[in-house]
Amino acid sequence: DQQVKQNSPSLSVQEGRISILNCDYTNSMFDYFLWYKKYPAEGPTFLISISSIKDKNEDGRFTVFLNKSAKHLSLHIVPSQPGDSAVYFCAALKGGNTPLVFGKGTRLSVIA
Amino acid sequence: EAGVAQSPRYKIIEKRQSVAFWCNPISGHATLYWYQQILGQGPKLLIQFQNNGVVDDSQLPKDRFSAERLKGVDSTLKIQPAKLEDSAVYLCASSLLGQMNEQYFGPGTRLTVT
Repeated sequence: DQQVKQNSPSLSVQEGRISILNCDYTNSMFDYFLWYKKYPAEGPTFLISISSIKDKNEDGRFTVFLNKSAKHLSLHIVPSQPGDSAVYFCAALKGGNTPLVFGKGTRLSVIA
Repeated sequence: EAGVAQSPRYKIIEKRQSVAFWCNPISGHATLYWYQQILGQGPKLLIQFQNNGVVDDSQLPKDRFSAERLKGVDSTLKIQPAKLEDSAVYLCASSLLGQMNEQYFGPGTRLTVT
């Protein structure tokens, strides 16, 4: 039972353009969402997060949008850079001391 | 500040053999997590420690996997005996007490079971 879904295994974007990575979830109890970035042979690193009381959070080139009614969130990267090429994981938490639930990841390739 | 350290980085074993992984969390991080990441999947929590006590091991296959965190610092994860389906990257992460949303991951150990 995949509670956090990233339906696009891969995405290619030209340098300078916008990258949009999507994530859907099924559990309405999730109240905090995170995006992690992973380079080969490294562990995931935290990128940006959003609480369920917000619908947008921005940090530099990265913006996360949350649509609770659709149980959908997206990560926008503008402008995309070759160094952004990595696997991006969406993850969710449901309050208190519960485990992070990860999606399967989307591999982003930014082409120069 | 030093990050989460893991060793070994790579390990190849035959099925039915045993293997152990080591993790040293960030200094001061009371909570330590072990994840299993199978190729093409996201990380899945195996076990979570708070200091040297287990908080959650509901997804740990206890017939073959074991983990300990003596003295509330370093941790080891053991598989005995290994199966082919245990081939994965084993990630260790740590966080300040209860800060599930601020986990720092190590580089992982890639295990191949042949």
